[in-house]
Formats: sequence, C-alpha cells, structure tokens
Amino acid sequence: AQSVAQPEDQVNVAEGNPLTVKCTYSVSGNPYLFWYVQYPNRGLQFLLKYITGDNLVKGSYGFEAEFNKSQTSFHLKKPSALVSDSALYFCAVRSPNDYKLSFGAGTTVTVRA
Amino acid sequence: KAGVTQTPRYLIKTRGQQVTLSCSPISGHRSVSWYQQTPGQGLQFLFEYFSETQRNKGNFPGRFSGRQFSNSRSEMNVSTLELGDSALYLCASSTGLEKYNEQFFGPGTRLTVL
Repeated sequence: AQSVAQPEDQVNVAEGNPLTVKCTYSVSGNPYLFWYVQYPNRGLQFLLKYITGDNLVKGSYGFEAEFNKSQTSFHLKKPSALVSDSALYFCAVRSPNDYKLSFGAGTTVTVRA
Repeated sequence: KAGVTQTPRYLIKTRGQQVTLSCSPISGHRSVSWYQQTPGQGLQFLFEYFSETQRNKGNFPGRFSGRQFSNSRSEMNVSTLELGDSALYLCASSTGLEKYNEQFFGPGTRLTVL
C-alpha cells in the first residue's frame, strides 16, 4: 500500500521568508511524486513532479522540491514566499506498479504581509 | 486547450435522493479520476476510468458508481444520498498512459445533502 504524510496541518511564514512544506511517503518501488496547490473554491493545480534523475525539481511559480530517497521525503520549498502563495498544498505519490494516486492530508500555508 | 470541466458546479439534494455529476476531460485525455474532498477526510480517491473501463477503485460503498463514455466524458452517480456525502467532488484527467503523468483537475462540484 502507498501513503503520504504531511506532518504539518499549517505553516505560517512572513512574506519574503523561505517557505518549506514537508512531505514523506511510503511506496513499493521507485516513486513518482507530485505537488499540487488548491486555492479557495478551486480545483487542484499541478506545481511539479519528480520522476527520476536530479533530486531537485523546479516547478511553477518559483517552487521547487527536493527528493530524498533515504528519508523518503519530498519537501516543497520556495526561497521567498509571497502573500499570494497562501493556499492549501497537497503532496501525492504513485507507485510504478499502479495508476492510483494517493494524496496527503494537505498543509495550509499562510503568508503574512 | 480547454481545461477539465465539471457540471453542475453546485447541487443541493435531500437525503435518500440520487445525484449524477458530469466531467469532461481535456481533449485527448483518456483517464478520468474522481475524488471526494471533505474538511475532515481530505482528498479521498473514488475511482478511475480509462478507455471506458474502471481501472482503479477506492474504498467507497456501492452507492458510489461511475462510468466513462467513448468520448472520455465521465459521470459519477451517488444513490440514496446521506448527510455525510456532502463534499466537493473533484474530477481529474490525464493521458493515462504513463504513471508519471500528472493529473489535471476540474473546479469541482459542491454537493450539499440536507
């Protein structure tokens, strides 16, 4: 069985400060990892994904994520947060053996001006 | 390219009724997945259809069913509605060919059961 854990329900940062949203996963085989963002009353928007290769993945809106196989983590980062980054962030994993995508519980990010 | 569309956007039903939600995927996408989103349970996977066949199924009761048509459009049906079925139902599409492909989500249908 595959699963995703997002240990923080909420992350609060000041605008201009670095933002990190944590994600750990459990899956058989080499994982495919994804980050999505959801703004109020909207569907999820794809940010970035890890397939293979370079552990640092760059995505939309200045976000990046670092894959760490030994720690089974895929943390989302942004060097300088904006107020407009305030949203709900989801990490997701898919095993190489299944098309099912499993999501974490989500982390609410609040960036204060 | 048009995105994933879902209709209706909002629905109000009473307990015991049934409801059908519709999803039109991005053109060329053959996979459609359905999710239920609630504040308490987060995003829960319902099922996935690929080329008119159910390829994956989550842990929901048989009251929840779906289908996919030859044009890849999908419908989800919930029978004998319960109060706990109140949720945002999200549809997502992808090519469905490679497991590393991301899904593209629609805006959702907000279902309220009274």
